[in-house]
Amino acid sequence: QLQLQESGPGLVKPSETLSLTCTVSGDSIISSNYYWGWIRLPPGRGLEWIGSLYHRGSTYYNPSLKSRVTVSVDTSRNQFSLKLDSVTAADTAVYYCAAPRNGYSLDYFHHWGQGTVVTVSS
Amino acid sequence: EIVLTQSPDTLSLSPGERATLSCRASQSVGSYLAWYQQKPGQPPRLLIYEASNRAIGIPARFSGGGSGTDFTLTISSLESEDFAVYYCQQRSNWPPALTFGGGTKVEIK
Repeated sequence: QLQLQESGPGLVKPSETLSLTCTVSGDSIISSNYYWGWIRLPPGRGLEWIGSLYHRGSTYYNPSLKSRVTVSVDTSRNQFSLKLDSVTAADTAVYYCAAPRNGYSLDYFHHWGQGTVVTVSS
Repeated sequence: EIVLTQSPDTLSLSPGERATLSCRASQSVGSYLAWYQQKPGQPPRLLIYEASNRAIGIPARFSGGGSGTDFTLTISSLESEDFAVYYCQQRSNWPPALTFGGGTKVEIK
């Protein structure tokens, strides 16, 4: 059973960098061949895809966030990470990591972490 | 960039009633569309993929239809646990991207 768990600071100051990690258990990031994803849910708004990555290095980002986002993978720890630069209050959200239904391409998300709340405030 | 527009914003219905939710794409997405259910404090749950295929463990009262730019999610007879927010999502191969709709809240009337 694939399980994902987000971790990271719950409070980030404006203009700083938001950093989150997703720890994967129940399968190997390498052998699954998934495009692992980050999604967020701002308060009072809808879901927003942030970006996805493949363990061999391919990354895809939401065009509206692309200039500020970096996603990366640490296969030795079976983790993948999100960095969002120059945050503002608009980046306050519940952040989810997720795995798709199928491997080898962007796909719908079937496995989700429970989500972590990140608040941007001084 | 493909934009997904969901309607209505809110649907007020009673248990046992039929719910019909709409998702319209700004350009054709073929059948590359999914539906999710999200309850407060929980992550989204995949209901339907490729427009009309139910995900594992999803009850038969949930059905999806449509292709191209117009899609629907139908809940044939609402159960108490179905009151939630529903999102559609498309996947495109070129440029590779994912997009969610704004959501429809199904609330108890």
